[in-house]
Amino acid sequence: EAGVVQSPRYKIIEKKQPVAFWCNPISGHNTLYWYLQNLGQGPELLIRYENEEAVDDSQLPKDRFSAERLKGVDSTLKIQPAELGDSAVYLCASSLSPDSYEQYFGPGTRLTVT
Amino acid sequence: AQSVTQPDIHITVSEGASLELRCNYSYGATPYLFWYVQSPGQGLQLLLKYFSGDTLVQGIKGFEAEFKRSQSSFNLRKPSVHWSDAAEYFCAVGADSSYKLIFGSGTRLLVRP
Repeated sequence: EAGVVQSPRYKIIEKKQPVAFWCNPISGHNTLYWYLQNLGQGPELLIRYENEEAVDDSQLPKDRFSAERLKGVDSTLKIQPAELGDSAVYLCASSLSPDSYEQYFGPGTRLTVT
Repeated sequence: AQSVTQPDIHITVSEGASLELRCNYSYGATPYLFWYVQSPGQGLQLLLKYFSGDTLVQGIKGFEAEFKRSQSSFNLRKPSVHWSDAAEYFCAVGADSSYKLIFGSGTRLLVRP
């Protein structure tokens, strides 16, 4: 069984530029999560999707961050414009259902903003 | 609000020695508790979880953890550490209807040959 796929694995951009991250969850997993992991910290939830609906986006900085999961499968997280403080690892995870709490994580995208 | 504390930022043990990583949580009711491991450049892998029942839970790779309600703790243990166990370990709590995992800041495990 393929795991959660994320791309790109690494991204370096200049501040004020846009950037997008892509995630393909495990087949059949209806719940998809985007997490932010700062250096030396644990992941923090940005947004949770149930199928194509964003059911928890309370931690997503909506002035510059956006996300979509149009067909309820893969998802894209976008930052526009990027700031220096956005340098971090962006993790995607998926689960069969939210109440299982068994989340499977992708390898993440390491973003460096210069 | 729920929170998780991992008091040890780094721990170094010799290969073959026993290991205990500490985790304390803050939550009013019985939480769902998890330990994840993250190797360099990799995503997080679930080691074990506690939802209810037996307070000593077994996980993958020879790890176990014990839920102690009186101490609000969920410490991770392994009787004999292997060099391949060197990684970052995260404790997490899942609570309330938000289905959100709250992670601790992690403990980096170094293994001496």
